Parts: sequence; structure tokens; C-alpha cells
Amino acid sequence: GAVVSQHPSWVICKSGTSVKIECRSLDFQATTMFWYRQFPKQSLMLMATSNEGSKATYEQGVEKDKFLINHASLTLSTLTVTSAHPEDSSFYICSARDVQGTEAFFGQGTRLTVV
Amino acid sequence: QKEVEQNSGPLSVPEGAIASLNCTYSDRGSQSFFWYRQYSGKSPELIMFIYSNGDKEDGRFTAQLNKASQYVSLLIRDSQPSDSATYLCAAQRTGGGNKLTFGTGTQLKVEL
Repeated sequence: GAVVSQHPSWVICKSGTSVKIECRSLDFQATTMFWYRQFPKQSLMLMATSNEGSKATYEQGVEKDKFLINHASLTLSTLTVTSAHPEDSSFYICSARDVQGTEAFFGQGTRLTVV
Repeated sequence: QKEVEQNSGPLSVPEGAIASLNCTYSDRGSQSFFWYRQYSGKSPELIMFIYSNGDKEDGRFTAQLNKASQYVSLLIRDSQPSDSATYLCAAQRTGGGNKLTFGTGTQLKVEL
């Protein structure tokens, strides 16, 4: 299957700072990327959908000014958690789909801890 | 009512047995269904997807879909300890970005 690389795998940051997470499709062009958040023992909750070159579509209840998503190229999307707080600590996962695929490929996930 | 429902488990089966994982969905507009395996602390891995009524087999895995009953299942034959993980069911509605809606997952434990 196709490879999606997510970086970093884990990050610890201080409350009030911002953290950027990168999601790259390595061997295909990702026209659509999805960002999920997963709290312990819970399922993946979709945060937003981004299409290359356009603004992300955020799910209800997700603050677009807090979770900035950029999908500037067909191989890279970034999620920036701004002014992070301890309650933002979670497992963030991206997935990417090409224009032809039914399947979405997941990145390795990023464990964010805000202290 | 959750859009995609799964029993959280844990479901315990002995090694070599058949594990049966079930999922129901509420949105009749859902067209495709996916089964993912997720190990603790890792991101999900796709096992298989199904979009037609009936069975779809891939190695030790068989997915079953019954759209009339809004029911999807995954059978794992000859279960191995390495199959111990959380299994996530996801539904996809065509259009609207083809986003996936996930269930909460069923924890499977395959015991020696």
C-alpha cells in the first residue's frame, strides 16, 4: 500500500505554545487529507478534511482558529495546534487519499502531550 | 445513537479459533465499509473493505455486509496471538469528501 509519513511521532510542549504536525504522502499525490484525534480508549474523531489548494472543512465543534490546517501541495498537509493546553493532549493521526483511491492510508500518528 | 456502533469488548478467543467482530451503522447512505486493526499506541492499519452485500474473503479474514440489516462483520479464522488488537469498523458515505465515520472499536484478545 501507499506510504504516509507523519512527523513527529511524539512531542511534548508547554502550555500556550504551538505545535506543528506534518503529514506527507511519499509515493502518491494526496488530493484529500484527513486529520483525526483519538483520546485514550476512544475512537478516531475526524477533525477536518483538507483538499489541496483550498481551505479545510472542519467538523462541528472543532475550532478552526486553534487547529490550523494547511494543504499547500499534493504531498504535504500540516496541522498546527495553536496555544496548546493540556486538554489538547491526544493522539493526532492523518490519513491521505489520492484522487482515484477508495482507500485512505494512515500516517503513524503523533502523540501530543501538553504540560 | 452513534453512527457506527461496536461492542467494546474485550472479546477473548483461544488461539486457532474463529473471532467474530460485529458492527452496525445507522446511516443508510453509507456505501462502503472498512475494517482497521489498531495496536495500542499505533495508527490504524486497513485490513479490508467491502461495499457489496455478501461476503468478501482475504486470507484469514472475511468481511460480511448486510445493507438491509445495516450490519457489517469481520471474521478472523485461525486466530493468532498477533491478532490481539482493537478492530475499528468505519463507514463511508459517498460524496461529502468521502470521509470515514469510525466506531469505537472492539478489543480482541487471542489467548494461548
